[in-house]
Amino acid sequence: GAGVSQSPRYKVAKRGQDVALRCDPISGHVSLFWYQQALGQGPEFLTYFQNEAQLDKSGLPSDRFFAERPEGSVSTLKIQRTQQEDSAVYLCASSPFPGLGRDTQYFGPGTRLTVL
Amino acid sequence: GQQLNQSPQSMFIQEGEDVSMNCTSSSIFNTWLWYKQEPGEGPVLLIALYKAGELTSNGRLTAQFGITRKDSFLNISASIPSDVGIYFCAGQTGAGGTSYGKLTFGQGTILTVHP
Repeated sequence: GAGVSQSPRYKVAKRGQDVALRCDPISGHVSLFWYQQALGQGPEFLTYFQNEAQLDKSGLPSDRFFAERPEGSVSTLKIQRTQQEDSAVYLCASSPFPGLGRDTQYFGPGTRLTVL
Repeated sequence: GQQLNQSPQSMFIQEGEDVSMNCTSSSIFNTWLWYKQEPGEGPVLLIALYKAGELTSNGRLTAQFGITRKDSFLNISASIPSDVGIYFCAGQTGAGGTSYGKLTFGQGTILTVHP
């Protein structure tokens, strides 16, 4: 498809389980962002990739969160030993150019993670 | 994390009415953006503002970039039922430094339009 896709769309995990969330950005897009959206809140920045390089991971809430984009296209956000406070929608966005601002970020539909 | 102060939190209006919402920040942004999010979907860009004082329209939507670069507003004229959704403002610091264009969002305004 032409847009950003994410999988799975919904994920239920038991506390302590590891999860992996996938993002397929628009083909050829250089920049890829991950955001976390808690219920009733706006998205919050987690991490940024320029091609395969993770240039900013300042928003990752703990060392249980890990993201990669090994070939500069598909990205995976991994959360180890999930906690209830990790429950949120995880949004992926891509844009055509390096992170210079003024680039439209195209968002995927998100993955809704529920930790029981 | 930091979020912008967006108001109102929710609005219930009749079809045909005009709507106004605004966003303020303690920090300066070089770009202000307005997004709409519908249930089960990611945010979709409505309007982007790149210059302090800029007033931009997109159909029935009009947005302004505040002179101080710390605020923005969005107006929707003659609302229709399909305007229903959550509207978010977002600030972007732009080129330079280590911001890489990441967005800082407001808490959202939930808009309900009664036919």
